[in-house]
Amino acid sequence: AQSVSQHNHHVILSEAASLELGCNYSYGGTVNLFWYVQYPGQHLQLLLKYFSGDPLVKGIKGFEAEFIKSKFSFNLRKPSVQWSDTAEYFCAVNLAAGNNRKLIWGLGTSLAVNP
Amino acid sequence: GAGVSQSPSNKVTEKGKDVELRCDPISGHTALYWYRQSLGQGLEFLIYFQGNSAPDKSGLPSDRFSAERTGGSVSTLTIQRTQQEDSAVYLCASSSGTQYFGPGTRLLVL
Repeated sequence: AQSVSQHNHHVILSEAASLELGCNYSYGGTVNLFWYVQYPGQHLQLLLKYFSGDPLVKGIKGFEAEFIKSKFSFNLRKPSVQWSDTAEYFCAVNLAAGNNRKLIWGLGTSLAVNP
Repeated sequence: GAGVSQSPSNKVTEKGKDVELRCDPISGHTALYWYRQSLGQGLEFLIYFQGNSAPDKSGLPSDRFSAERTGGSVSTLTIQRTQQEDSAVYLCASSSGTQYFGPGTRLLVL
């Protein structure tokens, strides 16, 4: 069955620390990959996505993610976090082919950045 | 509007009552999705509409759940005879490639 695993459920960092959140998927076929963010009290927003091409994708607010096909991974990174990055981060995957693009989600990683 | 909107934003109901949740997608988006987000869990796919095709209902948890999309735009998710385990945030997304989410409806069944 298709699944998405996020290894870190809760992460606590100090400002300026580097961030890496793991995401692995189990999905047959060519996939699209996404990271969404949910700030406290706000709705889900797209952080970045990978459809094809350069496996290193850059998103908003200094985030980037690298698609490593051989490892079925799409880890999210940021070199220096800020207090405002405190949020819930979700990795999601869907099939690149076909009409049904329903997303399969990881359980999310709660990030708290201490000022 | 520019984004996906959902109403109501919050709904408190008694066990056994029916509820209707509404989603207004981004204009021009042909695909519409409903998801459910429960505390401590990831998002759970419920149902998907694409144009005039038959919807993918494979994620609906029981026959108490149904959804329709009128005129290829607005969608309504209906939960009949609500149960306490239906309490969750119900999210709608519309897409023309990438999914954009509404703010959700927080449902509490007492």
